[in-house]
Amino acid sequence: GQNIDQPTEMTATEGAIVQINCTYQTSGFNGLFWYQQHAGEAPTFLSYNVLDGLEEKGRFSSFLSRSKGYSYLLLKELQMKDSASYLCAVNTNAGKSTFGDGTTLTVKP
Amino acid sequence: KAGVTQTPRYLIKTRGQQVTLSCSPISGHRSVSWYQQTPGQGLQFLFEYFSETQRNKGNFPGRFSGRQFSNSRSEMNVSTLELGDSALYLCATRSADGNTIYFGEGSWLTVV
Repeated sequence: GQNIDQPTEMTATEGAIVQINCTYQTSGFNGLFWYQQHAGEAPTFLSYNVLDGLEEKGRFSSFLSRSKGYSYLLLKELQMKDSASYLCAVNTNAGKSTFGDGTTLTVKP
Repeated sequence: KAGVTQTPRYLIKTRGQQVTLSCSPISGHRSVSWYQQTPGQGLQFLFEYFSETQRNKGNFPGRFSGRQFSNSRSEMNVSTLELGDSALYLCATRSADGNTIYFGEGSWLTVV
């Protein structure tokens, strides 16, 4: 089976930096996704990490350590529109993706 | 190119009824997955189809079934609906390299 853990809720201030952690236990690991989901909307793709290290895309960066079963999503220069749920998902060699329960981020002025 | 299209967007059913949801993937995408999302359970994997064959299956009862057609469109069916089946049902397709999953807008099912 697969276990994916991420914090349930986080709060941060506009303009600040926030790091959302995700730990996982799985067999046949083949990559890790991060998705953003605004209330009432479908999830949208943010990043996909297969190799260890940090990948940066504008204000968002994602880090992966396969040996530690650990990833984080880093959001810089927070904006009010970043208030959303952030989903961590593990991809396996069997082509199956399992999602965590998501972290609800609230950005305050 | 058009995104993932799900129909219907919203529907209300009564307990005991059955429902069929439809998903049209992005053109060229042959993998279609279905997820159930509820506030308490998060995003739960239902099943995945590829080239008309079920490739993976989550831990849901047999009341939940699906199929995929030769044009890659997929349907999922829930029979003998229960109140707990009220949820957002999301369809997702995978890019050819497997590195991106695209979600549809979802079908909001309410069972009363």
